[in-house]
Amino acid sequence: DTGVSQDPRHKITKRGQNVTFRCDPISEHNRLYWYRQTLGQGPEFLTYFQNEAQLEKSRLLSDRFSAERPKGSFSTLEIQRTEQGDSAMYLCASSSVRGYTFGSGTRLTVV
Amino acid sequence: AQSVTQLGSHVSVSEGALVLLRCNYSSSVPPYLFWYVQYPNQGLQLLLKYTTGATLVKGINGFEAEFKKSETSFHLTKPSAHMSDAAEYFCAVSEGSGNTPLVFGKGTRLSVIA
Repeated sequence: DTGVSQDPRHKITKRGQNVTFRCDPISEHNRLYWYRQTLGQGPEFLTYFQNEAQLEKSRLLSDRFSAERPKGSFSTLEIQRTEQGDSAMYLCASSSVRGYTFGSGTRLTVV
Repeated sequence: AQSVTQLGSHVSVSEGALVLLRCNYSSSVPPYLFWYVQYPNQGLQLLLKYTTGATLVKGINGFEAEFKKSETSFHLTKPSAHMSDAAEYFCAVSEGSGNTPLVFGKGTRLSVIA
């Protein structure tokens, strides 16, 4: 069990560029979640998958955001036309009925 | 809809003193409740969780929390603070078995003074 891996750890991008983050969950976990955490706030739910099916999307997930989990394994979160307000830590987690495990996050800075 | 309120965005205690971090929740169904700790630039580490059964839950690093349904509270305590406890603490609630999205509070930053 290598835990939940996120790549990259840090990303600096210019406003208007597209960025993509990757999350590799614990292999036996069937659910995968994306959260966003801004400075001084708790994580906010964005979306989650059961295997390859996207079960729920938060209203925080604007049409510039898209998430996929092909084949029910790793997941990607893409942000198109980034804005300064997208600067945040993006956390991935995976779970089974025994509970959650979080990754270390990807910190995005939009300049 | 579920929600979590953490009272006090910043708590400061002396080393060796009691730690008390407050959490109140709102849920229309029996809740699952969690406390997480986050160190700078790291992910979230589970301290403890309440699912069903015993209302006093013991976690890692000497922390414990008590589920009080009548008060809709799940406060986190530790008898004696250590310098290494300085971190951000988040209370969270979920509807299901812990295999559903979590709703987090805004967090409480704990400082420990030598």
